[in-house]
Amino acid sequence: QQQVKQSPQSLIVQKGGIPIINCAYENTAFDYFPWYQQFPGKGPALLIAIRPDVSEKKEGRFTISFNKSAKQFSLHIMDSQPGDSATYFCAASMWGQNFVFGPGTRLSVLP
Amino acid sequence: KAGVTQTPRYLIKTRGQQVTLSCSPISGHRSVSWYQQTPGQGLQFLFEYFSETQRNKGNFPGRFSGRQFSNSRSEMNVSTLELGDSALYLCASSLEVQGSNTGELFFGEGSRLTVL
Repeated sequence: QQQVKQSPQSLIVQKGGIPIINCAYENTAFDYFPWYQQFPGKGPALLIAIRPDVSEKKEGRFTISFNKSAKQFSLHIMDSQPGDSATYFCAASMWGQNFVFGPGTRLSVLP
Repeated sequence: KAGVTQTPRYLIKTRGQQVTLSCSPISGHRSVSWYQQTPGQGLQFLFEYFSETQRNKGNFPGRFSGRQFSNSRSEMNVSTLELGDSALYLCASSLEVQGSNTGELFFGEGSRLTVL
């Protein structure tokens, strides 16, 4: 019940494309759903996060869509750029603690 | 404002040895958590400390331990190292406001441990 599933494992898109990464969770007690971006040799950095009282959140080119009834959430990257090539992790937590991370999606954006 | 600092960045040990990793959180952050990152398993939660007390613990054997000091700096220790302990160990700090964790984790760049 603590698991967060993430797909796809890897993704290749052309510059300007819209990669979509999907995550699913089981524990309805989760109340915070962040996405982290990690570049090689660096630690993950928070990209965008959502709480279950809203269905969508946009920050720049990044959008989270959240479906509470389906217990799913996804990350969309609009007008993707080669600089967006990184590994993306979804996560879920309760009260800002007990973070559970998905296994990650390696995104490559081709020029 | 300085970020989360982890030392050492790289280290090589042999099976059976022990290792201590250090983490200095962002100034003002009192919550420090540790994660193990491996290619096959992603980020696995080890433990979290707040005000020198272990607040949460993941599913790792007792060989993995940690502590937090009064200045919020944290150390984790792995005893009797096994080959499978080879991983990137990430430390993250977070801010608590009025007793509530803001939820944002700030990660360091990690300590890459290789066990031979």
